[in-house]
Amino acid sequence: NAGVTQTPKFRILKIGQSMTLQCAQDMNHNYMYWYRQDPGMGLKLIYYSVGAGITDKGEVPNGYNVSRSTTEDFPLRLELAAPSQTSVYFCASSYSYHPRTDYTFGSGTRLTVV
Amino acid sequence: KNEVEQSPQNLTAQEGEFITINCSYSVGISALHWLQQHPGGGIVSLFMLSSGKKKHGRLIATINIQEKHSSLHITASHPRDSAVYICAVIGNTGNQFYFGTGTSLTVIP
Repeated sequence: NAGVTQTPKFRILKIGQSMTLQCAQDMNHNYMYWYRQDPGMGLKLIYYSVGAGITDKGEVPNGYNVSRSTTEDFPLRLELAAPSQTSVYFCASSYSYHPRTDYTFGSGTRLTVV
Repeated sequence: KNEVEQSPQNLTAQEGEFITINCSYSVGISALHWLQQHPGGGIVSLFMLSSGKKKHGRLIATINIQEKHSSLHITASHPRDSAVYICAVIGNTGNQFYFGTGTSLTVIP
């Protein structure tokens, strides 16, 4: 199994450009999450999804959008990139939302906005 | 103040040393995770704890719910253990995630 696959691994954007960070999992997990990790800060939850067609905001959703048309895919969209969105982005998934379930993380996307 | 505090922030050890990383949290939790992030950036889940102690190879994780404290121990440390170790808790409601800023461990041969 591939687990959680994120693409691209690296990207440089100009201010105002848009892009989509892809995340796919092949474990039939219902729950998927997007986090960002900034230097010296803990991971922050951007958006999460509890199943196909259902998404909800996390702690830092501004400037981002998500969709969940299938169980496998959970893309994160940046519409107007800003330097404040320079970060490392991690996608994760879990089978259930039960707090005691385990989580699988993708390998991350390092995004720089210049 | 972060809901999750880790100490130390940075740790350098000689190969073979016993290592302890601490995590304290200020919220009620339903579970605590220890994550490992390697220099390449990927994150791996090491442990999920809701009580007591878990052991996997040379790694041991303990949690004291009353004291709101968890520790991650590495016995007989090895250079390949060099990574950032992150403590993460899930709040009582089950939909709040809090992450520590990580402990950067370097094990020198």
